[in-house]
Amino acid sequence: AQSVAQPEDQVNVAEGNPLTVKCTYSVSGNPYLFWYVQYPNRGLQFLLKYITGDNLVKGSYGFEAEFNKSQTSFHLKKPSALVSDSALYFCAVSDLGNTNAGKSTFGDGTTLTVKP
Amino acid sequence: SQTIHQWPATLVQPVGSPLSLECTVEGTSNPNLYWYRQAAGRGLQLLFYSVGIGQISSEVPQNLSASRPQDRQFILSSKKLLLSDSGFYLCAWRGDSLNQPQHFGDGTRLSIL
Repeated sequence: AQSVAQPEDQVNVAEGNPLTVKCTYSVSGNPYLFWYVQYPNRGLQFLLKYITGDNLVKGSYGFEAEFNKSQTSFHLKKPSALVSDSALYFCAVSDLGNTNAGKSTFGDGTTLTVKP
Repeated sequence: SQTIHQWPATLVQPVGSPLSLECTVEGTSNPNLYWYRQAAGRGLQLLFYSVGIGQISSEVPQNLSASRPQDRQFILSSKKLLLSDSGFYLCAWRGDSLNQPQHFGDGTRLSIL
């Protein structure tokens, strides 16, 4: 079975500081990993994904994420946070070893608040 | 380009009334389609998914059902709503490969009175 954990319900950072939103995963095969962002009363928007290759992937709005296979982690990062980055962030995984190929598993979400 | 439409945006229904939420996708064919429920702005609960017309997989036994009468149409229904059916319902689609992200509609906020 595949699973995703986002250990922090809430992350607070000051504008201009770097931010990290943590994600760890568990799969039986090789993972496909995704980050999404959700603003209030909206659907989730895709930020970036890791499929294979370079462990550091870059995505929308200056976000990047680092895949670490030994630590089974895929943390979301941004060098300099903006107030407009304040939102709910979701990590998700699809498992190549999972025969139930239609589904991804989402974490419970982390609320990021960036203060001016 | 592909778009996903979900309606209505908000809905207030009495307990025991029926429900029909509709989701349509444009600009792609044979998408994988998903219904999720989100409570209180937290995690997503997968309710149903479909890999083709008439093919529905149910994730959680409950008061809801789903149908896919056309390739790009996904409908969430209930014959009698319960108070516990309140929540934010999201429809999503994905292409036929696991390495593609899901694309979400803007959701329906359902309140049961």
